[in-house]
Amino acid sequence: QVHLVQSGAEVKKPGASVKVSCEASGYTITNYAMHWVRQAPGQRLEWLGWINTVNGNTRYSQTFQDRVTITMDTSATTIYMELSGLTSEDTTVYYCARGPWGHWFFDLWGRGTLVIVSS
Amino acid sequence: DMMMTQSPDSLAVSLGERATINCKSSQNVFHSANNKNYVAWYQQKPGQPPKLLISWASTRDPGVPDRFRGSGSGTDFALTINSLQAEDVAVYYCQQYFTTPPTFGPGTKVDI
Repeated sequence: QVHLVQSGAEVKKPGASVKVSCEASGYTITNYAMHWVRQAPGQRLEWLGWINTVNGNTRYSQTFQDRVTITMDTSATTIYMELSGLTSEDTTVYYCARGPWGHWFFDLWGRGTLVIVSS
Repeated sequence: DMMMTQSPDSLAVSLGERATINCKSSQNVFHSANNKNYVAWYQQKPGQPPKLLISWASTRDPGVPDRFRGSGSGTDFALTINSLQAEDVAVYYCQQYFTTPPTFGPGTKVDI
């Protein structure tokens, strides 16, 4: 079965970094791009960036350009999203989401990882 | 960034009736080179991630019931749910992927 399995919830202090993982199973990861999207309570979904699962190239939203890093492991089954300089406004659910090459809609989503930023 | 708006914010529909959600993009999302509108629709139930219903404004994802219909072109789009079922209670989002970053509407909550 096709799945994106994300790591568990995190609690971080302001100013810290968080690294969330997303493991793809049931399909060939290099057949699709991988994106990260977040959703704060009562807010609209917000795209953070994507990674080319073939060559590891990335592109980020200008909103998060200075703080987000998306990487892949060498086995190319797990994607990571690291967000630095956390503030309370980063308290939200982070999703990895699969998308077809060249077109940025998302046909498979992970279940989400809650990140809480609190002192 | 391209702005997506949706109306109404919420609506209540009787079982078996039709629900229509409107979505408007701040820019044209029709690409004349391939005759496609770069709009997707998602359904999100409480505690779950969004689920893709429709891409290219009107193409249902495999397994999506045919009571879900996407329409529109240019800047104005709609998602119609014919013969609403209890399991259709959810928040529905439109999204444009014509420009970067891809952006979402604020969501429309559909209730019975």
